Amino acid sequence: NFMLTQPHSVSESPGKTVTISCTRSSGSIASNYVQWYQQRPGSSPTTVIYEDNQRPSGVPDRFSGSIDSSSNSASLTISGLKTEDEADYYCQSYDSSNIPPWVFGGGTKLTVL
Amino acid sequence: QLQLQESGPGLVKPSETLSLTCTVSGGSISSSSYYWGWIRQPPGKGLEWIGSIYYSGSTYYNPSLKSRVTISVDTSKNQFSLKLSSVTAADTAVYYCARLPVDFWSGSPYHFDYWGQGTLVTVSS
Repeated sequence: NFMLTQPHSVSESPGKTVTISCTRSSGSIASNYVQWYQQRPGSSPTTVIYEDNQRPSGVPDRFSGSIDSSSNSASLTISGLKTEDEADYYCQSYDSSNIPPWVFGGGTKLTVL
Repeated sequence: QLQLQESGPGLVKPSETLSLTCTVSGGSISSSSYYWGWIRQPPGKGLEWIGSIYYSGSTYYNPSLKSRVTISVDTSKNQFSLKLSSVTAADTAVYYCARLPVDFWSGSPYHFDYWGQGTLVTVSS
């Protein structure tokens, strides 16, 4: 059974680029799609990346996702940071053979200062 | 536009059963293209998947909660429900309902695309 591990927090200045990692504990990160959700304070999560690197309509192209098999991790990169990007970000993956099948990372608090 | 709305008591006593309903509007819960799920978030903590259900009634539960959880669907009301028994203070959380689209190619419901606004349930006497 796998777990997804994220850094507790990251911070960066407006206009800069930040990358948040999500490391899979066992099994290949490439075996199952990874999603990324943004959760602003007091709001429900919304999808910013699905299927490893796809952006839902309405999500700016400043958000991108990638997979690195060498580190067995997924990454969310946000370029041209804006203060409105300050939020919690969660990675998530699904593996029908895992227990439980749907797994969330612990979340990363992004501070834009 | 699809909307999901959680409803139920905001306060539950320890050892009692938490009951929540998610009403789906703007789409049919009977569609074969979607699963439906419950996720919770304790105050200040991360997201935890509770369970998912298909319109046919097939259910999937988090093993950590499986002995206490029941999820059901009422297609006539376009609703699905969560029951969590023998609650303790550790079950205090914001509870979200969400939709999971079935991927056309793999047939897997691998992510959550629409979420309700969430409802805070506090377990306290």
